[in-house]
Amino acid sequence: ETGVTQSPTHLIKTRGQQVTLRCSSQSGHNTVSWYQQALGQGPQFIFQYYREEENGRGNFPPRFSGLQFPNYSSELNVNALELDDSALYLCASTAGPLNTEAFFGQGTRLTVV
Amino acid sequence: GEDVEQSLFLSVREGDSSVINCTYTDSSSTYLYWYKQEPGAGLQLLTYIFSNMDMKQDQRLTVLLNKKDKHLSLRIADTQTGDSAIYFCAETSGGNSGGSNYKLTFGKGTLLTVNP
Repeated sequence: ETGVTQSPTHLIKTRGQQVTLRCSSQSGHNTVSWYQQALGQGPQFIFQYYREEENGRGNFPPRFSGLQFPNYSSELNVNALELDDSALYLCASTAGPLNTEAFFGQGTRLTVV
Repeated sequence: GEDVEQSLFLSVREGDSSVINCTYTDSSSTYLYWYKQEPGAGLQLLTYIFSNMDMKQDQRLTVLLNKKDKHLSLRIADTQTGDSAIYFCAETSGGNSGGSNYKLTFGKGTLLTVNP
């Protein structure tokens, strides 16, 4: 089991609402990446945070935003939720931007109804 | 752009070897990975290989890389029922931060079923 923890584990939201997901990185890791995994698909990269700044972004609209805090924990915020946002959201931490060994949390299962 | 392809299903008998295959398109890939995902769980890093290597062995796991054909495989020796899971191949792509690799690109995963 990795030291990456995510909360909550499950969440149900209504279309149009906003959601905040949280991630605590593994001890000693200063970089956090977020991925979206739709049912039956591989994880898709959303963005990465390093030293409290966004370090790279995948093909996700601006309503997906994030933060990283001085203790390296991170939040993923999604505004104006759509049904297609229903997915498993995974957080991964690494000791730096180079993803030589990325350790994933257990994920947050978001259901949008 | 980057793309990673995997066969979707593999079924083996307990005790046999499993071979999961993956192809990728990004010739600048530097690291290639295998992750395991059990039902309802996150991803577990199994092993990874640097692109200048041909092979890496780690206990029951053997990774083979054919860089010319952009083909990666994972062999699991003496497959057990506990190995039943989805296996993802992934590669790192260059980023916009001083050339650092910053994201993993995953395939859709191969569901391995191990029959007793």
